[in-house]
Amino acid sequence: DTGVSQDPRHKITKRGQNVTFRCDPISEHNRLYWYRQTLGQGPEFLTYFQNEAQLEKSRLLSDRFSAERPKGSFSTLEIQRTEQGDSAMYLCASSRHDLLSYEQYFGPGTRLTVT
Amino acid sequence: SQKIEQNSEALNIQEGKTATLTCNYTNYSPAYLQWYRQDPGRGPVFLLLIRENEKEKRKERLKVTFDTTLKQSLFHITASQPADSATYLCALDGGATNKLIFGTGTLLAVQP
Repeated sequence: DTGVSQDPRHKITKRGQNVTFRCDPISEHNRLYWYRQTLGQGPEFLTYFQNEAQLEKSRLLSDRFSAERPKGSFSTLEIQRTEQGDSAMYLCASSRHDLLSYEQYFGPGTRLTVT
Repeated sequence: SQKIEQNSEALNIQEGKTATLTCNYTNYSPAYLQWYRQDPGRGPVFLLLIRENEKEKRKERLKVTFDTTLKQSLFHITASQPADSATYLCALDGGATNKLIFGTGTLLAVQP
């Protein structure tokens, strides 16, 4: 399978704990996005990487959130001191840096439940 | 800020009919608009992209129109099938990084 993969698929954690999610994009894609989706809503943009550089962060991304993409390959999203409001589906997407190609390929998501 | 509105209520149609979903936006002039399909518990899947200078785009049973004057896109599924039942998301380009700004989605249910 050469699609976008995310790990874990599900995570249950207690409030105050730290969690880390991983995303492996499609190998030839140099753009990587993180989105968050809550029930009944569309995905909301969190942050964007082009290769290893983090070029944009949403104001939704508080200082408890940090994302990295070392060597421009896989990416991690860490949430520190989780709160119940962080419960959501975290989606990763990748795309080619190509003027003719704008579609994004999404992974299956990581569903986070904070108790 | 940009606002994207999709039919908030579920759309129920009979198999074989044409489903039409609406996406309206304000405070923005996107260079392109995309439609995605999302099944429960899964990530969105890209369906179609239409650019600001295109009026209509087709792919198999799917058709998208884009009216930049009305600030509206219509998404049509002809000869609908129960397998088309899903949530359909409209997304606008969010600028230089090509991040996507999504609507809330419309749940389509095709009855056999």
